[in-house]
Amino acid sequence: DARVTQTPRHKVTEMGQEVTMRCQPILGHNTVFWYRQTMMQGLELLAYFRNRAPLDDSGMPKDRFSAEMPDATLATLKIQPSEPRDSAVYFCASGQPGQGIDGYTFGSGTRLTVV
Amino acid sequence: EDQVTQSPEALRLQEGESSSLNCSYTVSGLRGLFWYRQDPGKGPEFLFTLYSAGEEKEKERLKATLTKKESFLHITAPKPEDSATYLCAVRPNYGGSQGNLIFGKGTKLSVKP
Repeated sequence: DARVTQTPRHKVTEMGQEVTMRCQPILGHNTVFWYRQTMMQGLELLAYFRNRAPLDDSGMPKDRFSAEMPDATLATLKIQPSEPRDSAVYFCASGQPGQGIDGYTFGSGTRLTVV
Repeated sequence: EDQVTQSPEALRLQEGESSSLNCSYTVSGLRGLFWYRQDPGKGPEFLFTLYSAGEEKEKERLKATLTKKESFLHITAPKPEDSATYLCAVRPNYGGSQGNLIFGKGTKLSVKP
């Protein structure tokens, strides 16, 4: 089965450090999402891309978060500087809405702990 | 404001005891209601998409239904391996934009043998 690959699976870092999370979407999927999951808020959208172009990043704190798709096989989410409140599980998902593939596929997530 | 509310937050069943999970939603135009299953330490796994009121979909012991205000996930004769958190999400119709899913907080299902 095709899958979305996220690295690293776990990351522990100190407050103020830069964190980069990576995602390899499923080949051929034209839409890529970044979600954050916490116990309190559940799954929240941070940003998403269509054909590598950013469509919506209103869920991201712009002063510290950035998301990019340097090519069709790689999406990145960067936090600089990181803060303890950023501790969460970050999921990448890919899909092709409107093309008969409406169920987005999620990766296994990156569990981030900022101490 | 677009919103998804799931109930109950947690549900404990005995193996074979059928039940239903509820997902209520308010959205400015619905372009699909999604059900996902999430196991601990894993990402959500897609189950169903429903597009219009009256639609039903089935997969093994699961059946999802949709009305104009809510969706139900019926679990018939559940087994311990059905234990997971079940997430409901809606995709709003934002003037042609095709994308974001708005998730509920999930129902954690435990099925005891």
